[in-house]
Amino acid sequence: EIVLTQSPATLSLSPGERATLTCRASQSVSRYLAWYQQKPGHSPRLLIFDTVTRATGTPARFSGSGSGTDFTLTISSLEPEDFAVYYCQQRSNWPRTFGQGTKLEIK
Amino acid sequence: EVRLVESGGGLVKPGGSLRLSCAGSGFTFSEASLNWIRQAPGKGLEWVSAINSNSYYIYYSDSVRGRFTISRDNAKSSLYLQMDSLRAEDTAVYYCAKDLGLGRDFWGQGTLVSVSS
Repeated sequence: EIVLTQSPATLSLSPGERATLTCRASQSVSRYLAWYQQKPGHSPRLLIFDTVTRATGTPARFSGSGSGTDFTLTISSLEPEDFAVYYCQQRSNWPRTFGQGTKLEIK
Repeated sequence: EVRLVESGGGLVKPGGSLRLSCAGSGFTFSEASLNWIRQAPGKGLEWVSAINSNSYYIYYSDSVRGRFTISRDNAKSSLYLQMDSLRAEDTAVYYCAKDLGLGRDFWGQGTLVSVSS
């Protein structure tokens, strides 16, 4: 099973700041990594798939990068609605796995 | 409009069984790969099971293999999860999702399963 480790567990920033979230895989997942955003009481929402491709409706301030085992989600300038929990997920191997999440909170 | 609506959750005793359903609409159900993902209260996401469009390929997480069975009925646009030998640690919101991790990804709102005596 591929283990995805996200860091940091919690990130405290202010609106307008840049956020950098990382996801490290225990073995290569090639480019098959996705990022999700989840707000309290809501289902997860796909932001980025295949490392760099924004899903329909994802604002341009969200970008993904990386390959193999190391991946990054960057939010260029935080908006109030961006404070949420973010998960990475791999679709390279079975079983599919998620990272443990990064909580992005308002400083 | 794409919709996935889960049902069948509830309170069940340890060792009991429950069958979850997920009704899909607004897309070609028979062409979609489908997944169950769960989230324990206050915890992260855990992938549970997946089935491809014609039910030829089926996968389970180690934590549920041998106890849960995924199936689908394309004629009824429905996905199912038969859960047997339930344990306290199976308590979670169960989501169905189509085309997980792809550009066509979509999740339902979830159904809560509570396993407690």
